[in-house]
Amino acid sequence: DSGVTQTPKHLITATGQRVTLRCSPRSGDLSVYWYQQSLDQGLQFLIQYYNGEERAKGNILERFSAQQFPDLHSELNLSSLELGDSALYFCASSVDPRPFNEQFFGPGTRLTVL
Amino acid sequence: DQQVKQNSPSLSVQEGRISILNCDYTNSMFDYFLWYKKYPAEGPTFLISISSIKDKNEDGRFTVFLNKSAKHLSLHIVPSQPGDSAVYFCAASAKGAGGTSYGKLTFGQGTILTVHP
Repeated sequence: DSGVTQTPKHLITATGQRVTLRCSPRSGDLSVYWYQQSLDQGLQFLIQYYNGEERAKGNILERFSAQQFPDLHSELNLSSLELGDSALYFCASSVDPRPFNEQFFGPGTRLTVL
Repeated sequence: DQQVKQNSPSLSVQEGRISILNCDYTNSMFDYFLWYKKYPAEGPTFLISISSIKDKNEDGRFTVFLNKSAKHLSLHIVPSQPGDSAVYFCAASAKGAGGTSYGKLTFGQGTILTVHP
C-alpha cells in the first residue's frame, strides 16, 4: 500500500460524458502528479501540482483539467469523452517536486468509454 | 516522439541468473533516471534511481548503470527471483528552464520480466 488512494477503481461511461477522478496523496506529500496509461502506450505524464498550484504540464488534452485543493487532494476532470480516452489513470504524490524524491503511485482508476 | 525507449517488450530469465533490462533515451536534458516496477492491478513502485553525475548505483540485488555518451541505461538484477516477475519501466526527469527541477517523469513502454523457477 503506497498510501495514495484513488477513487473510483473502475469507471464505465459513454462517449460525450464527463467524469471526475479523485486522488488523495500520502500524508505529508505536497506534490501530486497525474499519468495516463493507454493499452498501446507507456505511462504518459499529464499534469503536476505542488501545494495547490499547477507546476508542470504534459500532453494533457484541452478536454481534461485538474486541480489540487487546499486539503491537497486532487481531481482530474475528463469531459467530452472519446473512445480513445479509455485508459488507466494513475495519480502519484511526492514530498516536493524534486525528481530524487520518490513518487508514490496509487492503484489507478480504470476508465472505459463505450 | 518517444524520448525514452525500452526496445525489448519482454525478457525471460531462469531463477538465479542475471536479468538485464535496457533503456535508451534521446533527450540530453535528462539528468535523473529511475526504474519502476509494476505488478498487475497495482501502481508502479520505485525501485532504484541514478543521477547523471554517476555511472552506477547499487541497491542490494539491483544495480543501475548509466552510459551518458551512449544515452543508455540498464538495470541488472542478480540473482533473479520469481518474485521479480513484473513490468519494469525506465523513467527520466529533466530540469526545466532556469534549472528548476520538476518531478515530471517521462516513461518508457516497459519490459515484461518473467523469472522461471
